[in-house]
Amino acid sequence: SSELTQDPAVSVALGQSVRITCQGDSLRTHYVAWYQQKPGQAPLLVIYEKRNRPSGIPDRFSGSSSGNTASLTITGAQAEDEADYYCNSRDTSGNYVVFGGGTKLTVL
Amino acid sequence: EVQLVQSGAEVKKPGESLKISCKGSGYSFTNYWIGWVRQMPGKGLEWMGIIYPGDSSTRYSPSFQGQVTFSVDESITTAYLQWNSLKASDSAMYYCATRTPYYGFPEYYDYWGQGTLVTVSS
Repeated sequence: SSELTQDPAVSVALGQSVRITCQGDSLRTHYVAWYQQKPGQAPLLVIYEKRNRPSGIPDRFSGSSSGNTASLTITGAQAEDEADYYCNSRDTSGNYVVFGGGTKLTVL
Repeated sequence: EVQLVQSGAEVKKPGESLKISCKGSGYSFTNYWIGWVRQMPGKGLEWMGIIYPGDSSTRYSPSFQGQVTFSVDESITTAYLQWNSLKASDSAMYYCATRTPYYGFPEYYDYWGQGTLVTVSS
């Protein structure tokens, strides 16, 4: 089992906003990152250190965190945003890396 | 341009050994940790562990300790993931990944290989 918990599936209407959450005790003390993974592709980093976007990631992707919960928000979801999303951070010991179980985002 | 290029898909029988590779280019391979991530069919990402090419220091996830071995060959900027005796449950996609530039033990990765699909079946 993962130390980071995500909802298995979330859906959003095209053009609307959606929030994907990640819960875990380690998030109180360690940064979170988020990845997008489309079928047959390697994961793509979309948010790092809680709220920073790598170059080339659209600004409709944003991150936030409070207490033991981190969130990835997509403002104005597009069809191409349909994918699996994973959060990741360190575990509570800080010695290992963990991933959340993933959230499948469907854009309706 | 930073690139991680992994070796091709493998089909093996239970009990066989296997070594897959991840060749880094476009960055200082020796100075940045390389992580390995497993993804079983239809499942999520699992962190297996990490290796530092500069001195071959490793840290394995407790879930994978003793099950796999990481190694590197600095001369050809290549990292390896090895099994001595494969099981059917090792069937998965395996990714290598790195974070560069970052002089420390990274918790996230900004560059990923394309993945190597390992199938273990009798």
